[in-house]
Formats: sequence, structure tokens, C-alpha cells
Amino acid sequence: GQNIDQPTEMTATEGAIVQINCTYQTSGFNGLFWYQQHAGEAPTFLSYNVLDGLEEKGRFSSFLSRSKGYSYLLLKELQMKDSASYLCAASDNDYKLSFGAGTTVTVRA
Amino acid sequence: IAGITQAPTSQILAAGRRMTLRCTQDMRHNAMYWYRQDLGLGLRLIHYSNTAGTTGKGEVPDGYSVSRANTDDFPLTLASAVPSQTSVYFCASSDSERNEQFFGPGTRLTVL
Repeated sequence: GQNIDQPTEMTATEGAIVQINCTYQTSGFNGLFWYQQHAGEAPTFLSYNVLDGLEEKGRFSSFLSRSKGYSYLLLKELQMKDSASYLCAASDNDYKLSFGAGTTVTVRA
Repeated sequence: IAGITQAPTSQILAAGRRMTLRCTQDMRHNAMYWYRQDLGLGLRLIHYSNTAGTTGKGEVPDGYSVSRANTDDFPLTLASAVPSQTSVYFCASSDSERNEQFFGPGTRLTVL
């Protein structure tokens, strides 16, 4: 089975940086996904890491350490529209995704 | 149609009734998935299909069935709904099980 842990809530100020941590324990591992989900909407893909290291995509970056079973999503220059839930998901041996419960990020003016 | 559509958007259902949630994609993706999302539990996989004609069980398959007669459609059926199946249901697809999944807008189901 899979165990995906991430914080429940985080609050930050507009323009600041927030780091969302995710730890995972999986039966096999084929990559780590991050999704963004605004309230009442569907999840949308943000990033995918399969090798160790940092992947940067504009204001968002994602990091993976396979040996530590650890990932983080870094949101820079926070904007009000970044207020959302961020979902960490690990892909197992059969490429099935197991999701964490999500981290709700609130951006304050 | 662009992407993935789900129907209905929302539904209130009496316990014991049969219900089919519809999912259609026009991206010619091979793989399709059904998840339920409950507060505090995140998304949980119900059933999946890696290609037309094949299906598999996910983490929480009991009480649900699926079929994949063609590439585009992946209906989810609740044979006899129970209140614990009250949830938001998301359908998703990907061009390969290895790649990112695209999600439909969801169906909010309430079983009374």
C-alpha cells in the first residue's frame, strides 16, 4: 500500500514563498506528481519528478529525493490566485497514483 | 467537447437505487480512472482502465463497477447506492499510465 503525508494547512502573505513538504512510502515508485485544486474545481497538473533534484517551472518548483521518500513544492512570489489545495501523489509499481489528503494554502494580502 | 466531460454535475439519490455516472473524453487517451474525493481523505482510486476492453480495481472498488467498451467512454455504476457513497467523483484520463492525468469537472453525489 501507499502512505502519503503532507501538512493540512499553510498560510502565507502575498509576494512571499511557501514550501509544501510531502513524504511517501510506496510499494514501488515511478514518480511524484503535484496537482493544484481550487475549491469546487478539478485538480490540474503542476509538476512531475522521477529523478532526484529540482524541477523549475516559472514561479513553481518541485524537488524529489527518492532515497528519503521526500518531495516539496515551492511556490514563489505568491499571488492571491495561488490560494488552493495542493495534492501530492506518488506513482507505484503499476503506475497507479496514491494521493495525499492535500495541503490548503491561503494567501493573505 | 474539449477534454473530459462528466454527467450529471450533481445528483441526490435515495439509498438502494442504481446510478451510473458518465465520463467521456475526446483526447483519445488510452488510460481512464475513477476517483472519489472525501474531506480529509484526498482522492482515492475506485477503478481504472489502461486500454479499451480492460479494467482493474483500485483502492476502494467495493460497491462500484465499470466498463470500457470503447476508448472515449468510461461509465461508473453504483448497483445499490448507500449513504457512505456520498462523495465527489472525478473521472480522469492520460495518454499512458505513466503520464499526467487530466481530470473531469466532477460529479457531486449525495445518497440519502
